[in-house]
Order: sequence, then C-alpha cells, then structure tokens
Amino acid sequence: SAVISQKPSRDICQRGTSLTIQCQVDSQVTMMFWYRQQPGQSLTLIATANQGSEATYESGFVIDKFPISRPNLTFSTLTVSNMSPEDSSIYLCSVEVGRARDDNYGYTFGSGTRLTVV
Amino acid sequence: GNSVTQMEGPVTLSEEAFLTINCTYTATGYPSLFWYVQYPGEGLQLLLKATKADDKGSNKGFEATYRKETTSFHLEKGSVQVSDSAVYFCALSAYSSASKIIFGSGTRLSIRP
Repeated sequence: SAVISQKPSRDICQRGTSLTIQCQVDSQVTMMFWYRQQPGQSLTLIATANQGSEATYESGFVIDKFPISRPNLTFSTLTVSNMSPEDSSIYLCSVEVGRARDDNYGYTFGSGTRLTVV
Repeated sequence: GNSVTQMEGPVTLSEEAFLTINCTYTATGYPSLFWYVQYPGEGLQLLLKATKADDKGSNKGFEATYRKETTSFHLEKGSVQVSDSAVYFCALSAYSSASKIIFGSGTRLSIRP
C-alpha cells in the first residue's frame, strides 16, 4: 500500500494569511483527495486532484479559497487562503490504492495537518 | 446519493464488554465498505474492510460483515480494552462516484478500566 508524507503536521496561523499543505506519496497515483475534519466532526471531501487537470471541488468549497496543485503523480498541495478562525481544522490528503475488489484495495491517508487560526 | 449512517456516540463501556457500533449505508451497485479508527491526537487508520457481499473484515479482534440484504456493516468486538478508546468511522466507496470515499459521522468510544 502507499505511504503518504504530509506536512506540516500542525501550525498556528494569523487570520488573513495563507498556509500551504504538502503531500508526497511513495508511488504514482492517479487521484489524490483532500479532506477537512472540523473539531469533533467527520471528514468532508474538499476536492479531488488529478495530475494535469484542474481539481474538482465539492459543493461548498471553491478554488479561490482552497487552491490545489498536482504537478506530478506523486505530489499535491492544498492552500488554505485568507484564513479565518473558522478554518481551524485538521486537513488530510488521501489516495486510492489498488483496483476495486482486489485484496489490496483501499484508501491511505496522510497523518493530517492540525491548523489553528488565531 | 450515496451515504453512510452510523450509531450516534459517545459510547462508554467497561473493559471486557461486548461492542457493537451500527453502520448502514445507501449506495447504488456494490460498494466497498470500510471501518477507520482515529486514536486521540493521531491520523486515520484503516481498521478493516469488505469489498463484496457476505465478506467479513477482521483485524485486532474487531469484525464486520458486509450484509447487502440489510445494507449494513456493523462493527463488533467481543471484549474491548482501554486501548480501543478512539473515534470509529464507517465509510464506503462506490465505484460510480469517481472513487470518492464517503464517511459516516463517527462514533466516539470510551472504555473504562
């Protein structure tokens, strides 16, 4: 299965600034996913990032607020722009591993970035 | 659309008690089903999975059986330990949905010594 290195692991940021989160995968993957986990809540998908094309955003998330880069098949970044305290969350990246119904099929997650906006 | 509904928490049990966390799903076709666990202050880990009807996933004493007739994937453990205290997420991946994985709301489990 894939191994994801995500950084930073945590940060405390001033409101109005931006933070870029990086995820590096140890193998080539077609799609990478970015999630937000607000305090005490479940995971909500922000967007799906394919290499070589623009990311696809879920309802309620826009590119101006969460720009995503996917320059190659092993790397992606998510930027949280113009931050406010409401953006304080854990942000996670994820990749799909294997083919559907194979024994190794599943999703691997990065360790998460715990963001606090003050 | 596809969705996952799981048991509301928090759930508090005594050590060695039997655990069930209910999970039901709505999806077209035959999704893959997962249970993920998030220990305090840590990231998300895959606990177990099942990719087709009647499959049983198991790991660390936890089990869940993919029941298509009841669209359920309940998590069970015969004897819980304090170290099982965590948040548990039921999730599905439906192949027709661009490979997205959809999570339930999570169930916080606390085990008393």
